[in-house]
Amino acid sequence: DTAVSQTPKYLVTQMGNDKSIKCEQNLGHDTMYWYKQDSKKFLKIMFSYNNKELIINETVPNRFSPKSPDKAHLNLHINSLELGDSAVYFCASSQDGFLGPLHFGNGTRLTVT
Amino acid sequence: GQQLNQSPQSMFIQEGEDVSMNCTSSSIFNTWLWYKQDPGEGPVLLIALYKAGELTSNGRLTAQFGITRKDSFLNISASIPSDVGIYFCAGQETSGSRLTFGEGTQLTVNP
Repeated sequence: DTAVSQTPKYLVTQMGNDKSIKCEQNLGHDTMYWYKQDSKKFLKIMFSYNNKELIINETVPNRFSPKSPDKAHLNLHINSLELGDSAVYFCASSQDGFLGPLHFGNGTRLTVT
Repeated sequence: GQQLNQSPQSMFIQEGEDVSMNCTSSSIFNTWLWYKQDPGEGPVLLIALYKAGELTSNGRLTAQFGITRKDSFLNISASIPSDVGIYFCAGQETSGSRLTFGEGTQLTVNP
């Protein structure tokens, strides 16, 4: 059983397009996150939701919009994709806020051409 | 905000060698975590540390929570090819505060 699963694993698209990445966790965790890993492998938090409510919103362009239909799902929609959006995006979850370690999905490699 | 300095950035070693990497912070942390990221996958938790001075092992891996609470170390003994990957430290200033990640240590093990 995959604890944190995200789809798709690879996403190649052109500048200006809109795309979505989906994430689901079956751990019963209350909190979910989106992280961005750039070419230098640095992990940067983008958003965090606790029980469907947004609790962290880092300095991320408005083109990025997270949506949490329930506490087991956190999707990421990106409008008007730009070249600089190319990165690996990781979904993660934790028990309750940052209490307890994060469990990561396997990432979505987004390539914008 | 707090910063985490992780070193070295990369390591190239021979199979069987021992490895050591560390993280230092500009502020006091009460939790240190060590993750490993295999190529094409997400980071996986290796060891969690919650007390200053704590020394915890997970197989060939040993991690320590520094007494000053501003650093942590990860050692890998008798490295094997499957140890290849990126190792990340992560820390929390207080229980429930957001995690700060180090920049990662890329480990390459030559057979």
